[in-house]
Amino acid sequence: AQSVTQLDSQVPVFEEAPVELRCNYSSSVSVYLFWYVQYPNQGLQLLLKYLSGSTLVKSINGFEAEFNKSQTSFHLRKPSVHISDTAEYFCAVSSPTGNQFYFGTGTSLTVIP
Amino acid sequence: GAVVSQHPSRVICKSGTSVKIECRSLDFQATTMFWYRQFPKQSLMLMATSNEGSKATYEQGVEKDKFLINHASLTLSTLTVTSAHPEDSSFYICSANLLGQGDQETQYFGPGTRLLVL
Repeated sequence: AQSVTQLDSQVPVFEEAPVELRCNYSSSVSVYLFWYVQYPNQGLQLLLKYLSGSTLVKSINGFEAEFNKSQTSFHLRKPSVHISDTAEYFCAVSSPTGNQFYFGTGTSLTVIP
Repeated sequence: GAVVSQHPSRVICKSGTSVKIECRSLDFQATTMFWYRQFPKQSLMLMATSNEGSKATYEQGVEKDKFLINHASLTLSTLTVTSAHPEDSSFYICSANLLGQGDQETQYFGPGTRLLVL
């Protein structure tokens, strides 16, 4: 089975500052990794995903995440955040052999003007 | 990306009544859908996997008689909370993946249904 740990439950950051949201996973098999964003009272939206190939994946709104197999991490980064990035961010893992997702506990990102 | 809808978006009911939540895949067929429950400030907890044409698979600790799941067609799964009580109040979210359609690794989520049981 897989599991996901998001070490930071809340991350406040000033507007235009860089941010990193940490995600570590454990798995005995190869994994797929995902970051989802949830705005208040809404469902989850896919931000980016790693399936295979290049370990650095990027979203259309400036976020990127790097798969690090040796450190079992998939940290999410953005060089300059905007007020609109304020949301809950969930890291998730699944495996190629199954279609179940395992979610981390989430990180609440608050961008301060 | 694929679109998943849920209805209703918000429901308030009296204790003891049953509530049905619909999950639809709007532009693709979903042989498998998933139902999650999310408490405030917490992560999503998988409740069950809904399989079209067969019984749902429930996670440990989820009462199958309490949370009835019916996957009647390739685009519709329903979750019925039977004899709802205040502790059932939560945010219920469904998801589906494009199994066999080139993007099967990704789950696409509905907007969620907020249930409040008085």
